[in-house]
Formats: sequence, structure tokens, C-alpha cells
Amino acid sequence: EVQLLESGGGLVQPGGSLRLSCAASGFTFTSYAMSWVRQAPGKGLEWLSSITYSGHNTYYADSVKGRSSISRDNSKSTLYLRLNSLRAEDTAVYYCAKDEEVVPRTIDSWGQGTLVTVSS
Amino acid sequence: QSALTQPPSASGSPGQSVTISCTGTSSDVGDYNYVSWYQQHPGKAPKLMIYEVTKRPSGVPDRFSGSKSGNTASLTVSGLQAEDEADYYCSSYAGSNTPFVFGTGTKVTVL
Repeated sequence: EVQLLESGGGLVQPGGSLRLSCAASGFTFTSYAMSWVRQAPGKGLEWLSSITYSGHNTYYADSVKGRSSISRDNSKSTLYLRLNSLRAEDTAVYYCAKDEEVVPRTIDSWGQGTLVTVSS
Repeated sequence: QSALTQPPSASGSPGQSVTISCTGTSSDVGDYNYVSWYQQHPGKAPKLMIYEVTKRPSGVPDRFSGSKSGNTASLTVSGLQAEDEADYYCSSYAGSNTPFVFGTGTKVTVL
């Protein structure tokens, strides 16, 4: 069974940074692309970033481009997202998601999410 | 990349059918057969219901079906059941620079 467990969320001050982690299990982590998707309170899903199975290619939404970095440690089956210069509109539940292929095309599994609150 | 357009709400009585549309452009929905649909109950993570326009993952009831015509994809839920009441989001591959674009979401109510 695919399991994705996010951590690293919490209360962050405006202008601050955070690093989210996603521990994966139940599948061969090295064979699939991975992504981060967020959902602001009462709002819809917003794709943020994706990374190919090898980590060689990364992709970012305009909303986080230049202030975020996605990475993966295949030896630890762990996905990361670093987000800098946080602002109030970054407040959301952040989901880790697994693709069904080596490149990002179809998200087939989701973690339970970690809440990030940006507030002073 | 703009969000795909979905109706805010849809409803039907138990046993009836409801169809949700997802309108994109020739750069996403119209150009690729990588349209997915997700079901999300309150406070829960999304769940994949349809992928590659028409395919159902194992375990998803065959009451759920997908289709596409031009720049618009659709999800049909037949034989509505109480547990189908949820938010539904479409998603499309939008090219190598923007792998995913999501829909605005549709709240389905079972009357």
C-alpha cells in the first residue's frame, strides 16, 4: 500500500522559510515522479512543483518559482520542498503526491497533507 | 497557466446521474489525453477516480466514467449514492514546463 507522510508544517512568520518532507513507503520510490500540491483554506487544489524519478528535472508553478526548491533523496525514499519568502497567501495544506510514471503526468496517490500557517 | 473551468456545484437525487464539465484550452485538455478526476471529501486528501480521460483505477466503482471532446472533459457519476457527495477536481497535463493544471472544483450534492 502506498503511504506518503508529510511533515514540517506549522506556524511560520511572514518572510520566513520552511522545508517540508514527505516520507514514502509501499512502492519503489525511485521509479516514480513526485509532486507537491497545496490547498488554501476553503479553496481548490493548486499544483506547486514536480520532480522526475531521477531528480534530474524539476518543474515549478509561477506562484512559487524563484522562491522554492523541490528535491528528493532516493536513498531515503523522501521528497522535500523548501519554500522561502513566505507570505500570508502561502497558508494552506501542502500535499505530497506520487505520479504513475517516471515523469509527472498523472498523480495517483496523495499524502494526508501538512498545514502551513503564515502569520505574525 | 490558468485553472481549468468547472461549474461550482452540481446535484442529483440518489440513483440519478450527474455530469461535471472541465473546460481547458488547446494547450492542455485539448492537446493531451492526460485528464484526471479526483474526489475529495471534507478534511480528506483527494482520491484518484479517473485517469487518462476514461480509465478507472482498481477499486473505483464503474458508476464513475470519463470522456473528452475538444477542450472539454467530463466526469459522469451514474446511480448517485450518498457517499458520492464530495468535491471533484479535474486535472490535465499541460506540457513539459507545466505538468499539471487543476480545475476550479465542483461540489456535488446528493439531494
